[in-house]
Formats: sequence, structure tokens, C-alpha cells
Amino acid sequence: AQSVTQLGSHVSVSEGALVLLRCNYSSSVPPYLFWYVQYPNQGLQLLLKYTSAATLVKGINGFEAEFKKSETSFHLTKPSAHMSDAAEYFCAVSDGDGNKLVFGAGTILRVKS
Amino acid sequence: DAGITQSPRHKVTETGTPVTLRCHQTENHRYMYWYRQDPGHGLRLIHYSYGVKDTDKGEVSDGYSVSRSKTEDFLLTLESATSSQTSVYFCAIRGQGVQETQYFGPGTRLLVL
Repeated sequence: AQSVTQLGSHVSVSEGALVLLRCNYSSSVPPYLFWYVQYPNQGLQLLLKYTSAATLVKGINGFEAEFKKSETSFHLTKPSAHMSDAAEYFCAVSDGDGNKLVFGAGTILRVKS
Repeated sequence: DAGITQSPRHKVTETGTPVTLRCHQTENHRYMYWYRQDPGHGLRLIHYSYGVKDTDKGEVSDGYSVSRSKTEDFLLTLESATSSQTSVYFCAIRGQGVQETQYFGPGTRLLVL
């Protein structure tokens, strides 16, 4: 069965600093991996997804993530944080046929001015 | 934005009463999902549907039932609400392909007193 671990329930960075949100997964099959963002009182919005086409995936709002099979990781990064990046971020892995997603517990990103 | 609406958006109810939440899509997608979101748990799958009248259980299905009589509507019913079902409920839809993304609705905030 698939599972996802997000290290750090809260991450705080200064505006302009590097954002690094960690995600490790376990999967018995080649996974599809996703990062979603949730702004307060809203639904989840897709940031980016990995579907085996390329290991470095670029998403919206300047975010990107790198799939590392040897480390079973899919960490999310952004070179320079902006105040508008403050939100909760979820990593998710899908099962082999793509029917179901398993989510991590989420990481709340705080951006300090 | 994916054409997904949820109703009601907010509901307060009492323990022991039945509650039905509705998810409506305008995308004609085959797959529809119900999740609950609780702090520290991310999103957990309750039930999902892979076609009209075709449904299956997710990770946390106890106490919930679903129905899908039309492609566009997916109903989640709490037969007898309990305080442990206080949560935010999200509907999601997905297209046919294995690599397709799940798109989420705005959520329903349910409080069971």
C-alpha cells in the first residue's frame, strides 16, 4: 500500500528565502506523485505532478519538485519565498491505476516579512 | 477552475440526525471522490465512484454511505451523525486516464453537536 510522509508540520521562512518542503513516499509500483496547495478556507489546487516523463517537474507559481527514486523522495522547492506562498501544502501518491490518492498530513508554510 | 460545486458549504447538525452532502460536476468526468480533512491527517478517502451506480469504499468509510444516480452528482450521507464526523468534506473529480489529476471542490464544513 502506498503511503506519504511529510517531514515538518510547520515550516517558517523569511520572504525571499528558499522554500523546501519534504515529501517521502512508499509505493510498490512506479508512482504518480502530486503536490497540492490549500489557501485558507479553500479547496486544494494542483501545484505540479510527476508522471514519469521527467524527474524535475515545474509547476505553477515558481515551484518545482524533483523525483528521486533512490531516496523515494519528491521534495518541493521554490528559490525565493513570497508572502502569497503562505498556505498548507500536501504531497500525494496515487495507486498503480491512478484511481486513488493517498495524502500526507500536510505542511503549513509561514512566510515572514 | 474545474466545474465542481458542493452544497451546503456550511452545516451545523445534532448528533443522531442524518446528513446528506452533495457534489455536482459539469465536466462529465467518470471518477468522483469524497474526502474528509482533519488536522494532522491530511485528506482521507471516504468513498469513491467510478461510474453511475458504481462505488467503492475508501480508507474511512464507516458511518458513511454514497450514491451516484447521475454522472454529475455524487451524494455523501451520514446516516446518524456523530461528533467524530465533525470535519471539512471535499469532493474531487478525475478524468478517465491513469495520469489524470484529481480536481477538488470548495469543501463543506460540517459541525456535529
